[in-house]
Amino acid sequence: SAVISQKPSRDICQRGTSLTIQCQVDSQVTMMFWYRQQPGQSLTLIATANQGSEATYESGFVIDKFPISRPNLTFSTLTVSNMSPEDSSIYLCSVEGNIKNTEAFFGQGTRLTVV
Amino acid sequence: AQSVTQLDSHVSVSEGTPVLLRCNYSSSYSPSLFWYVQHPNKGLQLLLKYTSAATLVKGINGFEAEFKKSETSFHLTKPSAHMSDAAEYFCVVSEGLAGRRALTFGSGTRLQVQP
Repeated sequence: SAVISQKPSRDICQRGTSLTIQCQVDSQVTMMFWYRQQPGQSLTLIATANQGSEATYESGFVIDKFPISRPNLTFSTLTVSNMSPEDSSIYLCSVEGNIKNTEAFFGQGTRLTVV
Repeated sequence: AQSVTQLDSHVSVSEGTPVLLRCNYSSSYSPSLFWYVQHPNKGLQLLLKYTSAATLVKGINGFEAEFKKSETSFHLTKPSAHMSDAAEYFCVVSEGLAGRRALTFGSGTRLQVQP
């Protein structure tokens, strides 16, 4: 299994500011995934982060709004830029297990409120 | 492309009665299928997973699911509901190479358990 530490666990931010969320995994993984869960909604994939290359963004998400870093095989950050109240959500980091274990593991999430 | 449809947004049962949460999927390849549970203000927890082994999968807390390829279904069942089962349940599909697969979440089913 993989243990994921995500921080901050929650934050309240002013509109127009930016927040960087950190995700640390206790083992090396090929890809890390960032999801958003808007209030009362399901999870939506924001982007896939591969070490050493630019992240791949899903439709509706852009790098200028959600820049991602992946400096090594155990760490990634997601920044929510120029925040508005519509960005209030839970943001989750996820990794998949090794070849024999196809389970996905999630961080506890970052609950973001933009005021 | 993969997709998941959870047929019921809300399910309400009485304690001690059976639970059925329905899920249909669409996938171009042999998918892996999962059920996750999310209790209020808690992280995601894996209930069970199907990864092309036995079609009847047993999970934690008495839950099980049956993979039916002909019906493209992966319904979640439990013989007897407990009050602690009240939560949001997500059916999830992934496909592709292990370690490189993002997840597609269904819209979720909120399970209520009445005393």
